[in-house]
Amino acid sequence: KQEVTQIPAALSVPEGENLVLNCSFTDSAIYNLQWFRQDPGKGLTSLLLIQSSQREQTSGRLNASLDKSSGRSTLYIAASQPGDSATYLCAVIGTYKYIFGTGTRLKGFS
Amino acid sequence: NAGVTQTPKFRVLKTGQSMTLLCAQDMNHEYMYWYRQDPGMGLRLIHYSVGEGTTAKGEVPDGYNVSRLKKQNFLLGLESAAPSQTSVYFCASTGANEQFFGPGTRLTVL
Repeated sequence: KQEVTQIPAALSVPEGENLVLNCSFTDSAIYNLQWFRQDPGKGLTSLLLIQSSQREQTSGRLNASLDKSSGRSTLYIAASQPGDSATYLCAVIGTYKYIFGTGTRLKGFS
Repeated sequence: NAGVTQTPKFRVLKTGQSMTLLCAQDMNHEYMYWYRQDPGMGLRLIHYSVGEGTTAKGEVPDGYNVSRLKKQNFLLGLESAAPSQTSVYFCASTGANEQFFGPGTRLTVL
C-alpha cells in the first residue's frame, strides 16, 4: 500500500530564506507527482506537476524535483515571502488514484 | 471557465438526516473524485469515477454513495448522517494528469 509522508508537519522560517519541503513515498511505481498549496479554509491549488519521466519542474520561485528510485520529492521555494504562508501537500499518482501526504504548514515568517 | 464548483459550501445536519453534495466541472474531464479532509488525517479518497456512468470505491467509502449520471457532475450522498462524517469534503477532477479541486463543503453532523 502506498504511503506518503511529509516531514516536518510545520516549519517557521525567516523571510527571504530559501525553503526545502520534503515528500517521501513507499512505492516507486508512480505515474506522476503533484504539489499543492492550501490556504486556511480553502481548496487545494495546484503548484507543480512532475511527470514520472521528469526529474524536476519549475514555476517562478518554485522548483520541484523527483527521484522515483529513492521515493522522494522536494519542493524548493526561493526567497520566501509572508504570502507563502500556507500548507503544502504532495500527492503521488498511481492508476486513477492520488495518495496525499498530510502536508507541511509554513508559518511564522519573521 | 468556472473550473470545479461545489454546492453547498456549508451544511449542518442532525444525526440520521440525509443530504447530497453536488460537484460540477466544466473542463470536460473524465475522472472525478470525492475526498474528505480531517485534521491530522490528510485527504482521504471516498469514491471516484473514471467516466460517465461509472463509479468506484476509494479508501473510506462506508456511509456514502455516489452517482455520475452526467460527465460534468459527480454527486455524493449521505443516506443517514453520523457525527463521524463531520468533515470538509472536496471534489476534484483530473485532466492531463493534473488534479483540480473545488472550494470544499464544510459539513457538521450533530
